[in-house]
Amino acid sequence: SQQGEEDPQALSIQEGENATMNCSYKTSINNLQWYRQNSGRGLVHLILIRSNEREKHSGRLRVTLDTSKKSSSLLITASRAADTASYFCATLDSNYQLIWGAGTKLIIKP
Amino acid sequence: DTAVSQTPKYLVTQMGNDKSIKCEQNLGHDTMYWYKQDSKKFLKIMFSYNNKELIINETVPNRFSPKSPDKAHLNLHINSLELGDSAVYFCASSQAGTSRNEQFFGPGTRLTVL
Repeated sequence: SQQGEEDPQALSIQEGENATMNCSYKTSINNLQWYRQNSGRGLVHLILIRSNEREKHSGRLRVTLDTSKKSSSLLITASRAADTASYFCATLDSNYQLIWGAGTKLIIKP
Repeated sequence: DTAVSQTPKYLVTQMGNDKSIKCEQNLGHDTMYWYKQDSKKFLKIMFSYNNKELIINETVPNRFSPKSPDKAHLNLHINSLELGDSAVYFCASSQAGTSRNEQFFGPGTRLTVL
């Protein structure tokens, strides 16, 4: 079943702007992961944040986690055309199973 | 070197046929997965498998069966293909049972059933 729910479902912004995507989940988690999927390709792991962490950075990516609200956000700063892709959040539950959200489709306009 | 590979990349077949998709990982991971991604891009776990346990999503029809000749391979066999089986199928692997369980995905196999 889909536990995570990303919003928005689709996001279109100008190159150079920041893009923010959100993910909500329902049960307790070990960690939350964000993946990117380029059109016609497999998913690629971007960043992982543990349940006891609140913020994580990796290059132009910033992830926050609020376990009290059961939500996370992924911020991509200074977006580039190459960031155009679908972004999925996945939560690792207590059985070490990844539960996937429905994804946000991000379009960066040049 | 490709970490997780799948063959074929595209598969077009007639309804009622039986087909297999192969997956291999060279990461030394102990757990492999099969996912189905439909036209709306929903990613649905079908199976997770390590040498100890096969976990089946109960919504997966028994026409689908995973076969693992060894730790590095998890093939997906589909009997009596139906139109609704058309989707992209992804294989993935991870070193499960850890606090990370980051998954590595193959490039996908686009199955079209006519």
